[in-house]
Amino acid sequence: DIQVTQSPSSLSASVGDRVTITCRASQDISNYLSWFQQKPGKAPKSLIYGASSLHTGVPSKFSGSGSGTDFTLTISSLQPEDSATYYCQQYGNYPLSFGQGTKVEIK
Amino acid sequence: DVQVVESGGGLVQPGGSLRLSCAVSTFTFSDDFIDWVRQAPGKGLEWVGRTRNKTKGYSTEYAASVKGRFTISRDETKNSVHLQMNSLKTEDTAVYYCVRDYFVRGIYFIGHWGQGTLVTVSS
Repeated sequence: DIQVTQSPSSLSASVGDRVTITCRASQDISNYLSWFQQKPGKAPKSLIYGASSLHTGVPSKFSGSGSGTDFTLTISSLQPEDSATYYCQQYGNYPLSFGQGTKVEIK
Repeated sequence: DVQVVESGGGLVQPGGSLRLSCAVSTFTFSDDFIDWVRQAPGKGLEWVGRTRNKTKGYSTEYAASVKGRFTISRDETKNSVHLQMNSLKTEDTAVYYCVRDYFVRGIYFIGHWGQGTLVTVSS
């Protein structure tokens, strides 16, 4: 099974900051990686697929990069509405697997 | 706009059974891959299983934690997917999400989430 490890597990940043979250897969998954945003009490929302492609309607302040085993999610200018937990997920092999999540808070 | 609506959650005793349903409003139901993902209280997301499309015989995949206890099935007449959960354990307590996958460049991936339904396994 492919293990997916996110870092950091939490972070606190100021409005306007550039924020980067890292995701590492235990083996090569090409670009078969997605990112999700989840706010408290709500269903997750799909942000990015194929490591770097934005789902329809997702603001361009979100971007993804990487391939193989190392991936990043970047929020270019953090806003209060971006306070949430972010998850990566690999879909290159079964069983599909999620990272443990990164909680992003606003200072 | 695609809608995904889960139902059927509730309280069940350990060892019991429960069937969740997922209604998918799409014209392409027979072409769709559908996943179930769960989230235990205060925890992260866990993939539960998948049903492939009609071309793939509606075949299924499961996480090791539920294999042999959970079964995913589909009802074409109602554009519905069902998650039959047997031999439930307290650790199956979670919000269960149904997700319609998207298909791009030859591979399916998680796309459109339902709102989730809570399953509580407790005596």
